[in-house]
Amino acid sequence: DTTVKQNPRYKLARVGKPVNLICSQTMNHDTMYWYQKKPNQAPKLLLFYYDKILNREADTFEKFQSSRPNNSFCSLYIGSAGLEYSAMYLCASSRRDRGQDTQYFGPGTRLLVL
Amino acid sequence: GEKVEQHESTLSVREGDSAVINCTYTDTASSYFPWYKQEAGKSLHFVIDIRSNVDRKQSQRLIVLLDKKAKRFSLHITATQPEDSAIYFCAASPLASSSFSKLVFGQGTSLSVVP
Repeated sequence: DTTVKQNPRYKLARVGKPVNLICSQTMNHDTMYWYQKKPNQAPKLLLFYYDKILNREADTFEKFQSSRPNNSFCSLYIGSAGLEYSAMYLCASSRRDRGQDTQYFGPGTRLLVL
Repeated sequence: GEKVEQHESTLSVREGDSAVINCTYTDTASSYFPWYKQEAGKSLHFVIDIRSNVDRKQSQRLIVLLDKKAKRFSLHITATQPEDSAIYFCAASPLASSSFSKLVFGQGTSLSVVP
């Protein structure tokens, strides 16, 4: 089973309010990623967890936080949503095993900030 | 940092013909190049990848070519079928010694296969 699940699938948030998105996988993958995708743009890596180590991209360092309470779950947290956060948020996972680096993506959470 | 450019934003081919999607990258350290397909209303789905130790890889009707000197790679879909219609994303990554690969994606190519 190569399923990555994301909840919720759709999220409506008010400007200035926090947002918490959830991702889960049962493939025992050691790395979980969060991407932001806006229409007609490339998916943009926001951060990733390798095991328990969080790595955040420099240009989005202060905008997003994440936690990984166990191997299967990973959250993406926005402390104060702005209009520019409206996007699709994609979670992915991978495992560097026998040279396999394939990232498996979840269905995404569509966030609309009003 | 790495930048990946996908040259065709849209591509239309007749069913049965071949489709070619081209990507270029900037970082000579990149050594892993996957392709993803996004069908309407769905998420990204891995289709094929190539590593820098080879210059060609084929999986059924999909062929990936890599030209390291030109920093260019391409996806060839032969004998196209209507179900090949989707947005295709190329990506590049330097494979680290640790257990993750940071992918930098292109903007996507919307492929339409017309009967």
